[in-house]
Amino acid sequence: QKEVEQNSGPLSVPEGAIASLNCTYSDRGSQSFFWYRQYSGKSPELIMFIYSNGDKEDGRFTAQLNKASQYVSLLIRDSQPSDSATYLCAVSSDRGSTLGRLYFGRGTQLTVWP
Amino acid sequence: NAGVTQTPKFRILKIGQSMTLQCTQDMNHNYMYWYRQDPGMGLKLIYYSVGAGITDKGEVPNGYNVSRSTTEDFPLRLELAAPSQTSVYFCASNRQGPGETQYFGPGTRLLVL
Repeated sequence: QKEVEQNSGPLSVPEGAIASLNCTYSDRGSQSFFWYRQYSGKSPELIMFIYSNGDKEDGRFTAQLNKASQYVSLLIRDSQPSDSATYLCAVSSDRGSTLGRLYFGRGTQLTVWP
Repeated sequence: NAGVTQTPKFRILKIGQSMTLQCTQDMNHNYMYWYRQDPGMGLKLIYYSVGAGITDKGEVPNGYNVSRSTTEDFPLRLELAAPSQTSVYFCASNRQGPGETQYFGPGTRLLVL
């Protein structure tokens, strides 16, 4: 069973602050990592993906991957109240009989207060 | 493109009833998935399909069945509904291959009483 763990939260930050969301995974062979945002009552939507060690930036979002530590994180700079949502970490199975499947963490609920 | 569509949006079932949740995608994706999400929990994979005529079990398949007769459609069948199947169900699809992101439908909220 492939495990994906996220900091349980909830996480609350003031507007303009940096929100840091963390995720660890058990399958050392995983190659693809995704962050989804899910607003209450809505379906998950992709906000970032990362395949290589290091940082990947997209606007106010930065994904960080450290395969040696089996750790992936998402930083949200200049947090806005509209960023308030649950953030799901997902890890792709990239080999064998489970090729292409995603394994999700439980999610971290983020609240950005004005 | 409509993307991934699901029907119905909401349904109440009595214990022991059956129903089919519909899922259709118009992106010509080979891979399709059914997930359930319980309150405060992540997504659990029920069944998935890598192409028409091919399906396989996920983490929580008991009480469900699927079929995949076309590339576009991937219905999920609930037989003998139980209160434990009260959940939100999401259908998703992606192109073939590792590392391809999944696109989700809007979800079906199911309440079994």
